[in-house]
Amino acid sequence: AQSVSQHNHHVILSEAASLELGCNYSYGGTVNLFWYVQYPGQHLQLLLKYFSGDPLVKGIKGFEAEFIKSKFSFNLRKPSVQWSDTAEYFCAVNPLGRNTGKLIFGQGTTLQVKP
Amino acid sequence: DAGVIQSPRHEVTEMGQEVTLRCKPISGHDYLFWYRQTMMRGLELLIYFNNNVPIDDSGMPEDRFSAKMPNASFSTLKIQPSEPRDSAVYFCASTPTAGQPQHFGDGTRLSIL
Repeated sequence: AQSVSQHNHHVILSEAASLELGCNYSYGGTVNLFWYVQYPGQHLQLLLKYFSGDPLVKGIKGFEAEFIKSKFSFNLRKPSVQWSDTAEYFCAVNPLGRNTGKLIFGQGTTLQVKP
Repeated sequence: DAGVIQSPRHEVTEMGQEVTLRCKPISGHDYLFWYRQTMMRGLELLIYFNNNVPIDDSGMPEDRFSAKMPNASFSTLKIQPSEPRDSAVYFCASTPTAGQPQHFGDGTRLSIL
């Protein structure tokens, strides 16, 4: 079965530290990839997406992610986190071969940034 | 443009009561999704529709849950009878076509006493 695995459930960082959140998926075909962010008490918002082309994609608020096809990975990075980045982060995959709008979400990573 | 609109934002009711959650997707979006989010189970896809037709309801927990989409601009998720374990935040999302990002509503925070 298709699945998305996020390596870290809970990450605690100090402001200005660098961030990398891991995401791996299990699907051998073509995929669209997404990272969503959910700030406390809010709905999920799109952070960035990868459809094709340059495997390094840039999103909002200084986030970026790199798609490594050979590793089935789509890790999220930010060079210097801020207290306002405290949120839950979800990786999601859309397996295009199935021609479905369904997204497969990872279990989420809670990021806590200490001021 | 208006985003995905959900109502009510909060609902508190006693177990055994019927609960109806409502969602208006973004105009022109052909796909609509219902999710449930809890601390224990995270974000779960309950059901999704394409052009008002239910495509995958494998995530619906049990027969107490039902969802309808009578037209392109409205969907409901109904729980009857409700139980305390149904307490969660329920999100609706929509997307224009397969593979595009989903746009989420603000959610309904449901508490069953």
